[in-house]
Amino acid sequence: EAQVTQNPRYLITVTGKKLTVTCSQNMNHEYMSWYRQDPGLGLRQIYYSMNVEVTDKGDVPEGYKVSRKEKRNFPLILESPSPNQTSLYFCASSNVGANYGYTFGSGTRLTVV
Amino acid sequence: DQQVKQNSPSLSVQEGRISILNCDYTNSMFDYFLWYKKYPAEGPTFLISISSIKDKNEDGRFTVFLNKSAKHLSLHIVPSQPGDSAVYFCAATYGQNFVFGPGTRLSVLP
Repeated sequence: EAQVTQNPRYLITVTGKKLTVTCSQNMNHEYMSWYRQDPGLGLRQIYYSMNVEVTDKGDVPEGYKVSRKEKRNFPLILESPSPNQTSLYFCASSNVGANYGYTFGSGTRLTVV
Repeated sequence: DQQVKQNSPSLSVQEGRISILNCDYTNSMFDYFLWYKKYPAEGPTFLISISSIKDKNEDGRFTVFLNKSAKHLSLHIVPSQPGDSAVYFCAATYGQNFVFGPGTRLSVLP
């Protein structure tokens, strides 16, 4: 089954404790992206990647890092999480230029206390 | 400043009637528009899209209309069904820019 898999689904952590949210897709998509969803703000792009070793900032990159060492994986790293990073996170992938739209993962609900 | 706006946070419609969800955008560079549907505890799923060279695209019960001069698009669902109850996101794209609106929660009442 074609899918984007995120882990974990739920995470509660403390301020300053480094964490990684994993994302993997099995569709051989070149383009991958991370979004956060907050009430009233919709989905805002954090980082995206056009291909292996090619990443770029989205609209809200502060406090986040990403890497794209393999085509299928695109982890999101919070080096020192803060409470304002409490949010619902989605990973997504698509073919570059296909305009077919993204395939989204099921989301990771992160709470930073 | 939001480039993609959905001014109605919520909408309630009776089953069998038409649902109309609206979306406005400010950036004339956008050349492709998409609608996503999101159920609780799931990621958004692609619903329907339209290129800026068209003014209408239809897929079953779903039709998207685009008015470029007004920078406005709308999603029509006819007839509405209880299973359509979800949050609907409008999205606009050009190049590598992909911008979502804040979403509209649709409730279809039986």
